[in-house]
Amino acid sequence: DAGITQSPRHKVTETGTPVTLRCHQTENHRYMYWYRQDPGHGLRLIHYSYGVKDTDKGEVSDGYSVSRSKTEDFLLTLESATSSQTSVYFCAAGAYVGGTEAFFGQGTRLTVV
Amino acid sequence: AQKITQTQPGMFVQEKEAVTLDCTYDTSDPSYGLFWYKQPSSGEMIFLIYQGSYDQQNATEGRYSLNFQKARKSANLVISASQLGDSAMYFCAMREQNFGNEKLTFGTGTRLTIIP
Repeated sequence: DAGITQSPRHKVTETGTPVTLRCHQTENHRYMYWYRQDPGHGLRLIHYSYGVKDTDKGEVSDGYSVSRSKTEDFLLTLESATSSQTSVYFCAAGAYVGGTEAFFGQGTRLTVV
Repeated sequence: AQKITQTQPGMFVQEKEAVTLDCTYDTSDPSYGLFWYKQPSSGEMIFLIYQGSYDQQNATEGRYSLNFQKARKSANLVISASQLGDSAMYFCAMREQNFGNEKLTFGTGTRLTIIP
């Protein structure tokens, strides 16, 4: 996993509650990404970051926000969780422009009931 | 428009045969990179191989090779001499520049099943 840790690994939450997922890396990667994985959709990009305090939206960003106050941490927040946000969430990180690999965390399985 | 297209939702292949997993992409960025990842049933994402848009030769990593046809915008993964452990989901991904930043986009995946 090249030093990328996601927490929690599993979470069940109720509709309407806020949820924060954490991605922590130890390799000083500049670029970090949050994806959600759903059957038939592959991995879809939610948000990504190209440096501390620098973030941008991906293709499925509605209902999600992110923050990156330190190089090593990238937080994904569901402001008010909905059942449609039940998914497996992956964090990934890459070292530099033109890097030849993106490293993944283990994934977080989130269930919104 | 889809950035990365994988047209084979599932494939069944006899053990020891070669396998080709299709991937086409769409970008106007002249400098991009193409990746293949494997996701076994345990869920982790395993990096397999990378091809840069300016690389002259097709990438190879052990039994994996990437058949890069730039004019056709295709980056097919070839697995030689398939093994039972190759049964997994396979994802193609593209890294492209986005106003000086980098974006990594994935396809919908192909589920490969190796038959003994």
